[in-house]
Amino acid sequence: QSALTQPASVSGSPGQSITISCTGTSSDVGGYNYVSWYQQHPGKAPKLMIYGVNNRPSGVSNRFSGSKSDNTASLTISGLQAEDEADYYCNSYTTSSTLYVFGTGTKVTVL
Amino acid sequence: EVQLVETGGGLIQPGGSLRLSCAASGFSVRSNYMSWVRQAPGRGLEWVSVIYTGGTTYYADSVKGRFNISRDNSKNTLHLQMNSLRADDTAVYYCARVDYSDYVDSWGQGTLVTVSS
Repeated sequence: QSALTQPASVSGSPGQSITISCTGTSSDVGGYNYVSWYQQHPGKAPKLMIYGVNNRPSGVSNRFSGSKSDNTASLTISGLQAEDEADYYCNSYTTSSTLYVFGTGTKVTVL
Repeated sequence: EVQLVETGGGLIQPGGSLRLSCAASGFSVRSNYMSWVRQAPGRGLEWVSVIYTGGTTYYADSVKGRFNISRDNSKNTLHLQMNSLRADDTAVYYCARVDYSDYVDSWGQGTLVTVSS
């Protein structure tokens, strides 16, 4: 099972909106609504930001939103803030024997 | 409050074995899906293994046949037995609780495993 494909880096200025893509196949992203997104600051454990494609856990800012079209899921951060600078990973359930697969990760830089 | 605390990491020679533990509090490990996720230095997240409430287990191809996930319900603890360790197993290993809708809702702080001679 290969990792889901994400852009290596995305950047934006404070206040802008950015979108991170996560491309898989019909065996994972495209076949199920079990896509989640995680934020990870350096040296810290990941933090759940989005689950079930477009659901936000309690306590996560509504500046974060998720969507999916065919085999590609997306995470949008609106009103970009300095604290959003971090690595972001998508994850999906998959029919492969591995059961779950992460994306390659995207480094978000706030200019 | 849900809390996961990993122990057991350290420096181990190639070919050696190590057992990681994850003490859970605030919930029952036997009533939840539990998993191990690892992250090699400077690299991305990799799903290692998951154990379902019924005891069914799954493993990444990279560790299949070498790692074994288990839980001790009496101690509310998750374990990962790692055998035949290789240099590319070097990583921070995170214990994680997986919601029934297949996402990680709680993470431990991680424990570093270094495989080197």
